[in-house]
Amino acid sequence: GAVVSQHPSRVICKSGTSVKIECRSLDFQATTMFWYRQFPKKSLMLMATSNEGSKATYEQGVEKDKFLINHASLTLSTLTVTSAHPEDSSFYICSARDRGGSYEQYFGPGTRLTVT
Amino acid sequence: DQQVKQNSPSLSVQEGRISILNCDYTNSMFDYFLWYKKYPAEGPTFLISISSIKDKNEDGRFTVFLNKSAKHLSLHIVPSQPGDSAVYFCAASLNAGGTSYGKLTFGQGTILTVHP
Repeated sequence: GAVVSQHPSRVICKSGTSVKIECRSLDFQATTMFWYRQFPKKSLMLMATSNEGSKATYEQGVEKDKFLINHASLTLSTLTVTSAHPEDSSFYICSARDRGGSYEQYFGPGTRLTVT
Repeated sequence: DQQVKQNSPSLSVQEGRISILNCDYTNSMFDYFLWYKKYPAEGPTFLISISSIKDKNEDGRFTVFLNKSAKHLSLHIVPSQPGDSAVYFCAASLNAGGTSYGKLTFGQGTILTVHP
């Protein structure tokens, strides 16, 4: 099946610093990638939709200047959490849709961010 | 506004019996539905999906039923196995094009425990 990787899997950073999370589709091309956030014992919350070569579309309530998304190629999207605060601590998961057009999204393993 | 709801936070089943996970939705525009399985600290894994033009889709031990008039879908796992123990999320997609294309809206998840 389609494989999506994320790096890093875990990161701890200090308040005020920025953290970049990478999402890669390893064996397929993804024109669209999605970024989710999951709070403990909660559902996955869509943060933004990332389209290759264009600006990301953010969901209501998500600060685009705080969560910078770049989708520079058909296999890579990055999420940068800028000026991180402890409340940004969460589990961030990306997913990718195959360029072939299937509706299924394939998810990465997630990144656990802890801001101290 | 929770457009996709899984009202049972947990389900416990004996090995070999049937597991039935339920999901309700409110947006009648959703036209594709998916079930994902998720282990802690991992990304969701796609299980099975169904288009709104169908009322049943079967794949091995997994069957998804869709009742559009009731805006309800269910996932049946039979026979259940201890390895099926995980969190199960249902998700709905609105493939109407534009910026909504391919976005998934997730339910809160149901923790399934299959006892040996």
